[in-house]
Formats: sequence, structure tokens, C-alpha cells
Amino acid sequence: EPEVTQTPSHQVTQMGQEVILRCVPISNHLYFYWYRQILGQKVEFLVSFYNNEISEKSEIFDDQFSVERPDGSNFTLKIRSTKLEDSAMYFCASRDSQGSEQFFGPGTRLTVL
Amino acid sequence: AQSVTQLDSQVPVFEEAPVELRCNYSSSVSVYLFWYVQYPNQGLQLLLKYLSGSTLVKGINGFEAEFNKSQTSFHLRKPSVHISDTAEYFCAVRRSQGNLIFGKGTKLSVKP
Repeated sequence: EPEVTQTPSHQVTQMGQEVILRCVPISNHLYFYWYRQILGQKVEFLVSFYNNEISEKSEIFDDQFSVERPDGSNFTLKIRSTKLEDSAMYFCASRDSQGSEQFFGPGTRLTVL
Repeated sequence: AQSVTQLDSQVPVFEEAPVELRCNYSSSVSVYLFWYVQYPNQGLQLLLKYLSGSTLVKGINGFEAEFNKSQTSFHLRKPSVHISDTAEYFCAVRRSQGNLIFGKGTKLSVKP
């Protein structure tokens, strides 16, 4: 069964460093999302991406964040200069053009020291 | 603006007992509603969804939910829980733009 994959599973970085979180959505899906979950809190929407551009972003997704689909398979989230408060689990999700269901990856746990 | 409220942050229950996890939403437009489950150290897995049609929706692992428009609720139920159902459960509503708004989650703890 096709699934969304994410790498790495856990990333530890120093404050101020850049990180890139990688996702491989399901191959025929066209809509891509990033969410984050700070420990003990709810899952929050960051950004949606369709047709090679951002379709919507939340107020969390400021200038420090960017997304890219560098090739036909990967979907990346970059944080330019990480802050302590960026520590969270980051989930990638995708869906096809007809479906209502978003399929989630297993997440990347980002720890900023 | 759409929002989701899960009234119970934690629900302890004994094995084989019934359980109901409550979810209320606010939305001025038609809604798509979802329940996701998150097992420890794992991602989010879809349990069930309501898009339209029958208000009683059946999902995986014996769970079901009932959409109640007048009460703006979408409570999740299971008649008899197992130890393996111990997890965190998230209710979500899909916005017209496609992204999901999640509730704060309910931790279900099933005791033997």
C-alpha cells in the first residue's frame, strides 16, 4: 500500500542553524501539506502546496519557513534559522485531486538546542 | 472561522467497556469531518470520515461516529475497547481550502 515517507525521523540542531525536512508524498497525489505538533499540543497547519506553489499558509509559516518540490517526488520544508520554539513533530501529508482524505507521514521530530 | 473542540483531554476506561470521545465543531459552511488516531511515536492514521450522506459512519478497528448537525457534534464511539486502542485521538474539520483544523486531542487509556 502506498504511503507518505519522511526523513529523517529525528533531527537535532543548534539554534540558528538551517534544517531541511524531507517528505516523499504518495506518487499520484497533487496536494501537499505540512503540519506541526509541539509536544503536548494539537496538530497545527503550516502550509499547503499545489501546482508548484503555496496555496495557503498559516500565520506560523513566516519568512523563516519555505517549501519546495525540487523534483517529481520530494517535498521539503526548510527552516532557515531555527529557534527553540521550532522544536516539534513535523508531519507531511498528501492527497489526490479527488480524495478528501489526507495521508500522513510518520513525522520528523525536530529538536532545537 | 472553523474550530474543533475536544472536551476531554484524557479518558481512562477498562478493557471491554464502551467508550465515547466527544468532538464539537463550529463552521458556517458544509463540513468534512475526520477522526485520526496517533499511536505512541507514530504518525496520524485515519479512523473514519464524514463527507455527506448517512450520519452514522463506520471506520476501522470497530470505531464509529455520528454526525449531528443540530448539535454540531461528531462523537467517536466503540462498544468494547481493547488494550491496543490506547492512543491519542484527534478530531478534525477540513476547511474549504483543503487543510485540516485539529482539536487538541483525547488520550484514551485502556486498562486491563
